[in-house]
Amino acid sequence: EAQVTQNPRYLITVTGKKLTVTCSQNMNHEYMSWYRQDPGLGLRQIYYSMNVEVTDKGDVPEGYKVSRKEKRNFPLILESPSPNQTSLYFCASRSLAGGQADTQYFGPGTRLTVL
Amino acid sequence: ILNVEQSPQSLHVQEGDSTNFTCSFPSSNFYALHWYRWETAKSPEALFVMTLNGDEKKKGRISATLNTKEGYSYLYIKGSQPEDSATYLCAFYGSARQLTFGSGTQLTVLP
Repeated sequence: EAQVTQNPRYLITVTGKKLTVTCSQNMNHEYMSWYRQDPGLGLRQIYYSMNVEVTDKGDVPEGYKVSRKEKRNFPLILESPSPNQTSLYFCASRSLAGGQADTQYFGPGTRLTVL
Repeated sequence: ILNVEQSPQSLHVQEGDSTNFTCSFPSSNFYALHWYRWETAKSPEALFVMTLNGDEKKKGRISATLNTKEGYSYLYIKGSQPEDSATYLCAFYGSARQLTFGSGTQLTVLP
């Protein structure tokens, strides 16, 4: 089954404790992306990657890091989480082969609370 | 940052009513307009991808139109059912090859 998986699904942590949210896709998609969703603000892009070893900042990259060492994985790293990073996070992937017509597939979401 | 706006922000309709909502986006550097359906506690799922001015797409009771010259798309739901309750997101795909999402229209269909 084609899917995007994220782990963990729920996480409560404390300020300053480094954490990683994993994301994996099994569709051989070139493009992967991380979003955060906050009430009234919609989906805002944090980072994206067009291919292995190619990453770039989205609209709200501050406080986050990513890496793309393998095509299927795109972890999101919070080196020193702060309460304003409490949010719902989505990983997504899509093929770049079809250009604008390719739909994006989303993971199930990770609910992060930073105390 | 591109401006993609959706209206209304939320909507309550009675079962059986037809409804529609709007997505406004930049009319320049347009490549495609995506619509997604996002149910509570689930992840967004693609409904339509629209690329040509005048495009009309249909999936069951849901349809969408596209006007790239004036920068808007309408999503229509005919005979709304409680299972249509969800947030409907549009996303603009431009020359930067990124999807910029609107903040969504939250639809609640009352039985």
